Amino acid sequence: NAGVTQTPKFRVLKTGQSMTLLCAQDMNHEYMYWYRQDPGMGLRLIHYSVGEGTTAKGEVPDGYNVSRLKKQNFLLGLESAAPSQTSVYFCASSYVGRMADTQYFGPGTRLTVL
Amino acid sequence: KNQVEQSPQSLIILEGKNCTLQCNYTVSPFSNLRWYKQDTGRGPVSLTIMTFSENTKSNGRYTATLDADTKQSSLHITASQLSDSASYICVVSERGGGNKLVFGAGTILRVKS
Repeated sequence: NAGVTQTPKFRVLKTGQSMTLLCAQDMNHEYMYWYRQDPGMGLRLIHYSVGEGTTAKGEVPDGYNVSRLKKQNFLLGLESAAPSQTSVYFCASSYVGRMADTQYFGPGTRLTVL
Repeated sequence: KNQVEQSPQSLIILEGKNCTLQCNYTVSPFSNLRWYKQDTGRGPVSLTIMTFSENTKSNGRYTATLDADTKQSSLHITASQLSDSASYICVVSERGGGNKLVFGAGTILRVKS
């Protein structure tokens, strides 16, 4: 099993550009999450999904959109990138339908917005 | 506001030595507390999980303790190895309302030879 994979691993954008980050998991997990990690701060939840076709806002959802068209994939979109969105983005998934259960994280995507 | 505070921010120790990392939280109502290890350039990996009724949990050379009364946890690493160099993140789950996770900023541990 590959676990949780993320593409791309690195990306540099100019302000105003858009992009989509892809997360895929092969563990048949129901829940999937997108976090951002900034220096000196804990991971912050952007959006999450409790199942195929569902999405919900997390702690810092502004400027991001998500979609969960297939159970194994969770996409994070930036419509108009801003320098404040420079961060490392982590996707995670969990099996049982409670956010408290162990989350399995992907390797991260390092995004720089100039 | 629910918060998780970790100390120290960073720590350097010699290989073979022991160390203890601290976590204080204000999350309420409490569901469980986890310690994650995050290697540089990688995603966090779960080390231990403790519920309200558990006050200690071990995973190899890692031993976590929990005092739910004082809302404190510690992670003790015994006989450190170079591969222990990583960030250690304390994560507290808030019971109810979707069991929201609150992440600490992490303690960066560097083990030197």
